[in-house]
Amino acid sequence: AQSVTQLDSQVPVFEEAPVELRCNYSSSVSVYLFWYVQYPNQGLQLLLKYLSGSTLVKGINGFEAEFNKSQTSFHLRKPSVHISDTAEYFCAVSRINNDMSFGAGTRLTVKP
Amino acid sequence: EADIYQTPRYLVIGTGKKITLECSQTMGHDKMYWYQQDPGMELHLIHYSYGVNSTEKGDLSSESTVSRIRTEHFPLTLESARPSHTSQYLCASRDSSGANVLTFGAGSRLTVL
Repeated sequence: AQSVTQLDSQVPVFEEAPVELRCNYSSSVSVYLFWYVQYPNQGLQLLLKYLSGSTLVKGINGFEAEFNKSQTSFHLRKPSVHISDTAEYFCAVSRINNDMSFGAGTRLTVKP
Repeated sequence: EADIYQTPRYLVIGTGKKITLECSQTMGHDKMYWYQQDPGMELHLIHYSYGVNSTEKGDLSSESTVSRIRTEHFPLTLESARPSHTSQYLCASRDSSGANVLTFGAGSRLTVL
């Protein structure tokens, strides 16, 4: 079975600063990797996904993530955050045709 | 525009009441899921279905039940609600291809007094 660890439960940053949200996974086989965002009182929305190919994946709202197989990581980055990026971010992993495992989430708070 | 719909979005009820949370998707997905999420906490899988007449319990034990009589519909029922059932319930679906991308509904926030 696979598992996901999000290393930071809360990340406060100032507006226009860069941010990195860290995610590590464990699995003995190849996996798919995902980042979801959850705004207050909403469901989860897919930010980006890594299925295969280039290890740098670009998503919506200016976010990107890099798959690092040797370090089993899939960190999410944005070079300049906005107030509207304040949300909960979930990293997730799944094996081919298997169900998804989610991390505990990272609350990103962007301050003016 | 959402392709997976959950109703009600918010529900406040008294202890002992029976409630059903509705979930419908228009994408023809075979696989559907219910997650429970307490405020600021991770998601816990409580039920899933791989197709019509197929339902399974998830990782987190739940007193709720589900049914899957039609592909597009996956309701969750609590026969007798208790304050410990207060939570957000998220419905999701995906197709049977290898891509594994889950599509989520907006959630149903249940408060049991």
